[in-house]
Amino acid sequence: EAEVAQSPRYKITEKSQAVAFWCDPISGHATLYWYRQILGQGPELLVQFQDESVVDDSQLPKDRFSAERLKGVDSTLKIQPAELGDSAMYLCASSLDNPDTQYFGPGTRLTVL
Amino acid sequence: KNEVEQSPQNLTAQEGEFITINCSYSVGISALHWLQQHPGGGIVSLFMLSSGKKKHGRLIATINIQEKHSSLHITASHPRDSAVYICAALLRTSGSRLTFGEGTQLTVNP
Repeated sequence: EAEVAQSPRYKITEKSQAVAFWCDPISGHATLYWYRQILGQGPELLVQFQDESVVDDSQLPKDRFSAERLKGVDSTLKIQPAELGDSAMYLCASSLDNPDTQYFGPGTRLTVL
Repeated sequence: KNEVEQSPQNLTAQEGEFITINCSYSVGISALHWLQQHPGGGIVSLFMLSSGKKKHGRLIATINIQEKHSSLHITASHPRDSAVYICAALLRTSGSRLTFGEGTQLTVNP
């Protein structure tokens, strides 16, 4: 069964360092989402792509976060510089279209020391 | 007040019990998702619905558009059902962004 792939699964970094997360959605899924989930809370949408275009990045802290999906397939989320408050689970999801069932990847757990 | 609210926040049941988790929302929606999140973070999409009722195995999801309310039911609960269940709504006021409830932590004891 097709799955959303994410890497790395875990990342520990020091504050002020740069980190990058990668997501490969299910083949053919046009819509890709990046979420941040702080422990004990629900996921929060950071950015949504439709193919290679950003359709919603209103909650993305653009001073330090960036996201791209250059060829409309896989995507990278970057944080530079990382801050202590960025420690969270970063989830990627994809769907054929929006609205549609979203399929989530396993997530990247980030710890900023 | 959150636009999507779940209850209860925590639920403990004995194996075999019938479970109900509730979700209410404050504005019109295009669709509503029920998600399951196991320890370690993995999220599985259980249902997406915009009307009526859906069933998959021991799981049933219902939605009442007029009452702005959805329920997730688990029949013959099992310890492996222990997880956080999250309701997420595509609110008509939020474009294409899902609004998540805070989740219900379900523990099913053997």
